[in-house]
Amino acid sequence: DTAVSQTPKYLVTQMGNDKSIKCEQNLGHDTMYWYKQDSKKFLKIMFSYNNKELIINETVPNRFSPKSPDKAHLNLHINSLELGDSAVYFCASSQEAGGAYEQYFGPGTRLTVT
Amino acid sequence: DAKTTQPPSMDCAEGRAANLPCNHSTISGNEYVYWYRQIHSQGPQYIIHGLKNNETNEMASLIITEDRKSSTLILPHATLRDTAVYYCIVRVRSSNTGKLIFGQGTTLQVKP
Repeated sequence: DTAVSQTPKYLVTQMGNDKSIKCEQNLGHDTMYWYKQDSKKFLKIMFSYNNKELIINETVPNRFSPKSPDKAHLNLHINSLELGDSAVYFCASSQEAGGAYEQYFGPGTRLTVT
Repeated sequence: DAKTTQPPSMDCAEGRAANLPCNHSTISGNEYVYWYRQIHSQGPQYIIHGLKNNETNEMASLIITEDRKSSTLILPHATLRDTAVYYCIVRVRSSNTGKLIFGQGTTLQVKP
C-alpha cells in the first residue's frame, strides 16, 4: 500500500493552461504539505494544511491554490501556467504539524510547462 | 529555525560506515535535528531525528555533540542503494506548522 500517492506522475502542458495535481495519504495523518523542487534541486515548502485548514502559505503566487476536501486529500490547482512553474512537486503528510513527527513524502509530480 | 551547514559531497566505499557531518552552531535548546535523504528522482525519506541524546534506529545512528552545535549521521554499512542526497534540518520543537527548511544537503556516493 502506498502511503502518500500523487497523480499524475508526469504532466506536460503549455503556458497559460490550468492544471491540477492530486495527493492522497492513507496514513490517517492530520497534516499535509506541498513542496516544490526546482531545477537546481532546492526543495521549498509551499503550503501546509492541518485538518483541512491552511496553516502555511509561503508567499506562493495566487495562481497556486491548494484545496483539501478532507483530511486525506490535498490537491494543488495551478492557473495560467508559466515556464517558471516547471518543477517537481512533492506532497507530504505528518501525524500532526507540531511536535517531532516525521513527514512522509509522495513520489512527486514532474511538471513541464512548454 | 537554525541554519545548517553540510559538505556538498562525500564518497564512501560499499560496506564501510558512512559518516555525514552537519554543523548547526546557532541551534537553540528547543530545536530538533532531523535527517532526511532523497534518492534520485524519489520523494525525500525520513531517516532519524534527535534533540540531545544520541539516537539509533534500523536505518542509521545520530550522534549529537554535547554542546549540540554539530551532529553526525552514521550509516553503519553503506550499500549502493544508500547513494542519495542527505539533508540535515533543524526545526523548532514547538513548531505548529511542521515546516521543514531544506538546504543543499550532502550528496553521498557509495562506490563498489
